[in-house]
Amino acid sequence: EVQLVESGGGLVKPGRSLRLSCTASGFTFGDYAMSWFRQAPGKGLEWVGFIRSKAYGGTTEYAASVKGRFTISRDDSKSIAYLQMNSLKTEDTAVYYCTRGYCGGDCYSLDWFDPWGQGTLVTVSS
Amino acid sequence: QSVLTQPPSVSAAPGQKVTISCSGSSSNIGNNYVSWYQQLPGTAPKLLIYENNKRPSGIPDRFSGSKSGTSATLGITGLQTGDEADYYCGTWDSSLSVWVFGGGTKLTVL
Repeated sequence: EVQLVESGGGLVKPGRSLRLSCTASGFTFGDYAMSWFRQAPGKGLEWVGFIRSKAYGGTTEYAASVKGRFTISRDDSKSIAYLQMNSLKTEDTAVYYCTRGYCGGDCYSLDWFDPWGQGTLVTVSS
Repeated sequence: QSVLTQPPSVSAAPGQKVTISCSGSSSNIGNNYVSWYQQLPGTAPKLLIYENNKRPSGIPDRFSGSKSGTSATLGITGLQTGDEADYYCGTWDSSLSVWVFGGGTKLTVL
């Protein structure tokens, strides 16, 4: 069974850092792009960013709202994707989801996401 | 303000049909695949439709997707109370180089 499990969420003060992990199973992790999304309480879905597979350079793209503060990385030997979040703001409070991404031929862009993890809650508050 | 425009809510009776629209532009829907996601209350999103009109394994054929120009539509027939959820359309925006979503549509099955 293909599965994604996020961990690492919790309560953190503004300005601090937090690292989320997404542990994958049931598929060849290294063959796929991995993406992070978030959903603030009572709000819609927001894309955070994604990391391409090593076959496409393992490069990353980010939403403007997190660029320069958040970093996505991957450890294909452990089948884990990470979301390093620095300089956290209260507006970063959300449930964070990781997903497996399907991208176009050159993986410049993303086409769709499946499956999604169950999410992990990050609360940024003093 | 979302890049893609969806109606905030739709409703219909059990057994009826409903459509949810998703409007964008040439930089997103017009030139990229659209996918749709269902989010049941308190759960993670789930892929319903990919590449405009394809259903993943396990998704019943009551769900359908279409795209024309810079708009896409999700159709649901034979509505069930279990279909009550938030539905999101999404696609890549080639000008912004980001993934974009609609604001979501809350489906109520009366």
